Amino acid sequence: EIVLTQSPAILSLSPGERASLSCRASQSVAYYLAWYQQKPGQAPRLLIYDASNRATGIPARFSGSGSGTDFTLTISSLEPEDFAVYYCQQRSDWPPYTFGQGTKLEIK
Amino acid sequence: QVQLQESGPGLVKPSQTLSLTCTVSGVSISTGGNYWSWIRQHPEKGLEWIAYISYSGSATYNPSLKSRVTMSVDTSKNQFSLKLSSVTAADTAVYYCARYATNSPPYYFDFWGRGTLVTVSS
Repeated sequence: EIVLTQSPAILSLSPGERASLSCRASQSVAYYLAWYQQKPGQAPRLLIYDASNRATGIPARFSGSGSGTDFTLTISSLEPEDFAVYYCQQRSDWPPYTFGQGTKLEIK
Repeated sequence: QVQLQESGPGLVKPSQTLSLTCTVSGVSISTGGNYWSWIRQHPEKGLEWIAYISYSGSATYNPSLKSRVTMSVDTSKNQFSLKLSSVTAADTAVYYCARYATNSPPYYFDFWGRGTLVTVSS
């Protein structure tokens, strides 16, 4: 089973700042990695798929990069609605599909 | 727009079977290339993929849960279901149903239900 490790666990930033979230895989997942955003009481929402492609309707301030074992989700300038928990997920080796443990992006 | 809605008991007794149904609207569950999934989230924890099923009834399970999980699909009602047997408190979680599309991007879990909390307690 591929383990995804996200860092940091908590990231405290202010609106307007740049956010960089990391996801590291226990073995190569090529580019088969997605990012999701989850707000309290809501289901996760797909943001980025296959490492760097924005899903439908996702603002351009969200971008993804990386391949192999190291991936980054970048939010170029934080909006108030971006403060949430972010998860990465791999589809390279399944079953099972696995998720990271999440990074909580909180307002500083 | 694809929509999914979970339904089922919110409270299940230990050792019993948890049963949930997901009703899909906006797309036929028989559309090829879609896999209909269950994912759960333990309180204040991360996400765990449980299983998915195609319209033809071909299911794939998480090995860690495989011995206790059964999925089924009812194309006439546009629904699919989850059964998890011999539940314990560790199965207390929010259960989500979701679509996984394989015949076109994004090839991930792109539509989700709102989730339903299932508590295992006597």
